[in-house]
Amino acid sequence: DSGVTQTPKHLITATGQRVTLRCSPRSGDLSVYWYQQSLDQGLQFLIQYYNGEERAKGNILERFSAQQFPDLHSELNLSSLELGDSALYFCASRSGLGGELFFGEGSRLTVL
Amino acid sequence: GEDVEQSLFLSVREGDSSVINCTYTDSSSTYLYWYKQEPGAGLQLLTYIFSNMDMKQDQRLTVLLNKKDKHLSLRIADTQTGDSAIYFCAEDNYGQNFVFGPGTRLSVLP
Repeated sequence: DSGVTQTPKHLITATGQRVTLRCSPRSGDLSVYWYQQSLDQGLQFLIQYYNGEERAKGNILERFSAQQFPDLHSELNLSSLELGDSALYFCASRSGLGGELFFGEGSRLTVL
Repeated sequence: GEDVEQSLFLSVREGDSSVINCTYTDSSSTYLYWYKQEPGAGLQLLTYIFSNMDMKQDQRLTVLLNKKDKHLSLRIADTQTGDSAIYFCAEDNYGQNFVFGPGTRLSVLP
């Protein structure tokens, strides 16, 4: 158990819908990262937060947004969903800006 | 820009050594990591090496770093069927983005 909790574990929805994925980092970790893992594209970095502030942005679509709350949990919002958004979404955390990244078990999103 | 490359597949026989290779581009990377992902699970840290080191050994795992060529390798000795997984190389430029390679799928044949 990495200490990083992601909910929901599985989610099935339809095209055009909106979903929210939630991540609770390890206790005390200030940095939260979001990654998307598709079958054909490996692990793609989406966005990073540090202590509530956005720190780095990767290949995140405009239809996607995220935030980190004062209690340090984070949410990833995916809207106007398309079939190609079906993937595993991972959250990872670490205590600061360096050191090991600890991964949650992922949220599997299926868009039908 | 940052880019990490790995071969996508590797098959070995049980008991043989596996060598997974990785190249990276960011010479300012401070740490380089190897993560393992088993089916249906998240990524778990296997080992890491600091950029001023050439080699690190941890039981069956040996990491070699050639900083001049920006080449990292992971050797697994006496590979077992339980080692079948996807292995990700990652570079970490302290405080900046944590970049993963595409992953190498290791298949261990009996």
